[in-house]
Amino acid sequence: LAKTTQPISMDSYEGQEVNITCSHNNIATNDYITWYQQFPSQGPRFIIQGYKTKVTNEVASLFIPADRKSSTLSLPRVSLSDTAVYYCLVGPVERNSGNTPLVFGKGTRLSVIA
Amino acid sequence: KAGVTQTPRYLIKTRGQQVTLSCSPISGHRSVSWYQQTPGQGLQFLFEYFSETQRNKGNFPGRFSGRQFSNSRSEMNVSTLELGDSALYLCASKSTSAGTKEEQFFGPGTRLTVL
Repeated sequence: LAKTTQPISMDSYEGQEVNITCSHNNIATNDYITWYQQFPSQGPRFIIQGYKTKVTNEVASLFIPADRKSSTLSLPRVSLSDTAVYYCLVGPVERNSGNTPLVFGKGTRLSVIA
Repeated sequence: KAGVTQTPRYLIKTRGQQVTLSCSPISGHRSVSWYQQTPGQGLQFLFEYFSETQRNKGNFPGRFSGRQFSNSRSEMNVSTLELGDSALYLCASKSTSAGTKEEQFFGPGTRLTVL
């Protein structure tokens, strides 16, 4: 499984767009990039997943350059409730087998300030 | 649909004891994974079960074991507890049907304190 590197922490003001970049230089051809969000004393929650280019959902956007050696999670107009730890994970996705253990790094602690 | 449930939510044990934690996955999910979360080591993968078979195992000693039942419910057991086993233990379930989003749904966790 490819190792990931993210900033340990970030601060942002409410209403701003936040971009968290994750480096994964050893990403394999069949690896997907997945981001999770975790609030204190809760389990992580899936945010978004992608393979290449750009993926957008109701919560965030994920930008993946052509070489796939990094990815950027973009959170538009953050609010205080977006204060959490964000994890970037890289690994294969094998449908129908359940055989995809997640390897979490230390994550990025995002603090949103009023 | 009900989410992933874990019992108990909090547990206090003493060194040398053993503990069993329980996880009920989302209905229809056949894959259950266990993770240990500590401030120092972060979130670490313990093992994964699929259709009652262990499919993957993390780098933990043999004191950590698990099993899955025919209804997909899972238990994990830690024997001869050590102080360092104090952690939040998270269970996650996943649907393995074709075409579904590849995400795992986490439960609220069991906070284990070893004294």
